[in-house]
Amino acid sequence: SYVLTQPPSVSVAPGKTASITCGGSNIGSYSVHWYQQKPGQAPMLVISYDSDRPSGIPERFSGSNSGNTATLTISRVEAGDEADYYCQVWDGSGDHVIFGGGTKLTVL
Amino acid sequence: QVQLVESGGGLVKPGGSLRLSCAASGFTFSDSFMSWIRQAPGKGLEWVSYISISGRTIYYADSVKGRFTISRDSAKSSLYLHMNNLRAEDTAVYYCASFGGYGGSMYYWGQGTLVTVSS
Repeated sequence: SYVLTQPPSVSVAPGKTASITCGGSNIGSYSVHWYQQKPGQAPMLVISYDSDRPSGIPERFSGSNSGNTATLTISRVEAGDEADYYCQVWDGSGDHVIFGGGTKLTVL
Repeated sequence: QVQLVESGGGLVKPGGSLRLSCAASGFTFSDSFMSWIRQAPGKGLEWVSYISISGRTIYYADSVKGRFTISRDSAKSSLYLHMNNLRAEDTAVYYCASFGGYGGSMYYWGQGTLVTVSS
């Protein structure tokens, strides 16, 4: 089965740029979605179809996907961005949804 | 506004059964694919099952296949998950979520309901 690999943690200083990666075999051929989950809350969609921002998501959030790595980039990081982030794809046959293991973003 | 409200969670013994419900409002439930996703305590997200708009297409994660049954009632704008033969490893917060179809993102999520399987 298809596996998505995320770093367990990423740390960044306020105002800097955070990059969270999601690795998978030829992931560039898949559409990748990203979710933010703050403690005690439900996940929230922040990027869909590799790089589309849903309404209400700040422009500081962006996504890219190529080769074996998809990346969620958060510019000008704020304390409120501290959360767990998950990438997600559909398997090739459309019968399973796959989540990455999640990355905890810490704002120093 | 959009709401997905899960209910039915609780404490159940191993081997027991439980039915979760998800009541939808504020969007066109009958035009939405629906899914259940769970999260064990301190762990990541795990997809459980999804159901198509018509209810004719259903898929399950291997970990729950044969034990869980997803269903929907568009007249009531509700999604269900019947869980049988529950195991300790099924302990998790269960979220319902909506999406547009195969390949799509989960754009609306409920707040979740906790299922604890323990003797």
